[in-house]
Amino acid sequence: EDQVTQSPEALRLQEGESSSLNCSYTVSGLRGLFWYRQDPGKGPEFLFTLYSAGEEKEKERLKATLTKKESFLHITAPKPEDSATYLCAVQGGATNKLIFGTGTLLAVQP
Amino acid sequence: DAGITQSPRHKVTETGTPVTLRCHQTENHRYMYWYRQDPGHGLRLIHYSYGVKDTDKGEVSDGYSVSRSKTEDFLLTLESATSSQTSVYFCATRLTDQGTQYFGPGTRLTVL
Repeated sequence: EDQVTQSPEALRLQEGESSSLNCSYTVSGLRGLFWYRQDPGKGPEFLFTLYSAGEEKEKERLKATLTKKESFLHITAPKPEDSATYLCAVQGGATNKLIFGTGTLLAVQP
Repeated sequence: DAGITQSPRHKVTETGTPVTLRCHQTENHRYMYWYRQDPGHGLRLIHYSYGVKDTDKGEVSDGYSVSRSKTEDFLLTLESATSSQTSVYFCATRLTDQGTQYFGPGTRLTVL
């Protein structure tokens, strides 16, 4: 069964304190791994798609990496505006459906 | 941003009443999805559509039905709402079956 586990559930950082969020997955034939950001009361906002192990993508202070079993979202020198819930999802096999993790709630203190 | 709107944005209803949520998109995306989001469960797929009048069930489809008569509109109906269907509902669309999935702003539904 396809599964996605995100850790930690919650993370509190000081402004400028870099860290990483983890997304572990089991899926038969990965067709894509997706990262989203979700602010309170809003819909998820797309960040990155990764398709194969070794792939990396960057956007401002965020960098996503992918291995055969997990993905990391690295946050470098975070700012308070980076506070949000970060969601990971995978698509595998012959399906067009995404399986989502439960997210990591990130709080960045000034 | 795929130009997705959802209506209503908030709704309070009573147990046993029918409820219809609407998703409207302006990007001509083929695929459309309905999810619910609950604490501790993440986003769970209710139903999805892969074209006009083509729909299929997701992992939590019991008690829900959908219809898609036009490319731009995807309706989610709760035939007889129950308190367990209190949740935040999100619509999503994507152009291809491997492309980026874009989400709407959500509908907060409370069933009393």
